Amino acid sequence: AQSVTQLGSHVSVSEGALVLLRCNYSSSVPPYLFWYVQYPNQGLQLLLKYTSAATLVKGINGFEAEFKKSETSFHLTKPSAHMSDAAEYFCAVSLFGNEKLTFGTGTRLTIIP
Amino acid sequence: EAGVAQSPRYKIIEKRQSVAFWCNPISGHATLYWYQQILGQGPKLLIQFQNNGVVDDSQLPKDRFSAERLKGVDSTLKIQPAKLEDSAVYLCASSSQAGVRYNEQFFGPGTRLTVL
Repeated sequence: AQSVTQLGSHVSVSEGALVLLRCNYSSSVPPYLFWYVQYPNQGLQLLLKYTSAATLVKGINGFEAEFKKSETSFHLTKPSAHMSDAAEYFCAVSLFGNEKLTFGTGTRLTIIP
Repeated sequence: EAGVAQSPRYKIIEKRQSVAFWCNPISGHATLYWYQQILGQGPKLLIQFQNNGVVDDSQLPKDRFSAERLKGVDSTLKIQPAKLEDSAVYLCASSSQAGVRYNEQFFGPGTRLTVL
């Protein structure tokens, strides 16, 4: 069975500062990994995905994530935070051939002006 | 292209009442998912349809929850009778085809259910 752990349910950063949201996964086979963003009262939007191609994945809105097999991690970063980045972020994992997503508990990102 | 549509957006009911949620996936998407998102938690898959057949309903509480996808398009999720712990956001998602390398799931805005 696969699972993900998101460290830090709340993260606050100043506008213009580095954003780092942590995600560690557990999977018996090579996984597919995802980051989703959820704005208030909205559904989930895919930020980026890792599907066993390049280990450094670039997504929308300036976000990127690096797949590190040795650390079983897939942390999300953005060099410079913007006020519009305030939202909840979910890391998720799935296995090839079955798109069932297993989500982490989420990290709420607050941007300080 | 139109996204995944869900209705109603909000619903408040008393415990032991019944409730139904509706989902219209993106046109042409064969796979449809229902997720339950309890406050403070990540979404949890309740049921996955491929066309009008069930692929995975292992986490669906079948004593009170039911879902159907008639004609392989729209889907309805029903709770009867509702319990307090069913208060959550119910998300519907769709993807174009299962069983290939990867297909992105597109999510609807969700239905927020409050059980009093």
